Amino acid sequence: GQNIDQPTEMTATEGAIVQINCTYQTSGFNGLFWYQQHAGEAPTFLSYNVLDGLEEKGRFSSFLSRSKGYSYLLLKELQMKDSASYLCAPSNSGYSTLTFGKGTMLLVSP
Amino acid sequence: DVKVTQSSRYLVKRTGEKVFLECVQDMDHENMFWYRQDPGLGLRLIYFSYDVKMKEKGDIPEGYSVSREKKERFSLILESASTNQTSMYLCASSMEAQKLFFGSGTQLSVL
Repeated sequence: GQNIDQPTEMTATEGAIVQINCTYQTSGFNGLFWYQQHAGEAPTFLSYNVLDGLEEKGRFSSFLSRSKGYSYLLLKELQMKDSASYLCAPSNSGYSTLTFGKGTMLLVSP
Repeated sequence: DVKVTQSSRYLVKRTGEKVFLECVQDMDHENMFWYRQDPGLGLRLIYFSYDVKMKEKGDIPEGYSVSREKKERFSLILESASTNQTSMYLCASSMEAQKLFFGSGTQLSVL
């Protein structure tokens, strides 16, 4: 089975930087996804890390340490529209299904 | 753009009814998935399929079945709906590397 741990809620102000952490324990690890989900909408893909290190994509970056079972999503220059739930999802080998964490609800205030 | 279409956005059914949730994708993806999402529990995998007429149980298959007669269509069936199946149901498809494309979801209420 898999065990995925991420904070339930975080708050930040516009223009700030926030880091959302995710720790996981899984067998046959392939890589780790981050998804964004706005209230009432479907999750959308943000990033996928296979190798250790930082992947930067505009205001969003994602980091992975395979040996530590640890990832984080870094959001810079926060905007109100970044208020959403952020889902950490390690993928495993075999059938390569995704198991999602319960999500971190980020609230960005003015 | 990949499009995953779920037939209903909102659905209200009675206990004991047979319920069909339909999902169609237009990108020729091999893989299709059904998740349910509940507050405090996150997204949980019900069933998935890697090919036509093929199905695999996910983490919570009890009370559900699926059908994949054509590559583009993956149906979730509740044989006898119960109140604890009230939930948001999300269909997804992917080609490789498990990058999922989700439909907009069906909010099912079982009364």
